Amino acid sequence: DAGVTQSPTHLIKTRGQQVTLRCSPKSGHDTVSWYQQALGQGPQFIFQYYEEEERQRGNFPDRFSGHQFPNYSSELNVNALLLGDSALYLCASSLGSYISGNTIYFGEGSWLTVV
Amino acid sequence: QKEVEQNSGPLSVPEGAIASLNCTYSDRGSQSFFWYRQYSGKSPELIMFIYSNGDKEDGRFTAQLNKASQYVSLLIRDSQPSDSATYLCAVNAGTYKYIFGTGTRLKVLA
Repeated sequence: DAGVTQSPTHLIKTRGQQVTLRCSPKSGHDTVSWYQQALGQGPQFIFQYYEEEERQRGNFPDRFSGHQFPNYSSELNVNALLLGDSALYLCASSLGSYISGNTIYFGEGSWLTVV
Repeated sequence: QKEVEQNSGPLSVPEGAIASLNCTYSDRGSQSFFWYRQYSGKSPELIMFIYSNGDKEDGRFTAQLNKASQYVSLLIRDSQPSDSATYLCAVNAGTYKYIFGTGTRLKVLA
């Protein structure tokens, strides 16, 4: 049973560049959420995708965008990178049939460093 | 006031002791509560979830929920050095997002 897989695991980008992070949810799951975890902080909700649509968004600027594909995999795109975007980006997968109480499972994350 | 608050620690306990980790939340509409463990440089892994007031036990771990006091805790019995990690409390208030605390760093001393 494949868990949540993310790629790439580590990457370094320059300010102003764009980055795309990828995620495949756990087998049987249809919902993908993205979280940003800065050093020493808890994960912060970016957005959630279900049925190929953004279902809810956290307090992040429009530079952060995403997409979900028919096979439930997802991409997170960040444009015009800032130094403050340096963080661990976590993909979380869950079953989307219920609103609350669904346990989310994290992938190993993508470490983004912006220089 | 932060939505989910945890003492950042570090909380140091001797091996074999009980570690008690606490979390308070501000939204009275919160419905489900989760504890994740995060080792340094790794992603969070789920330890337990609890929905109802009272205690829920799973092996060496016990989650306690008191909705009236807006308080959730995690007890780790017979603490081991391998339990040394940051413990994240997460709360879901019936929306699609989970709100995390900043985590409590636990150090189990051999």
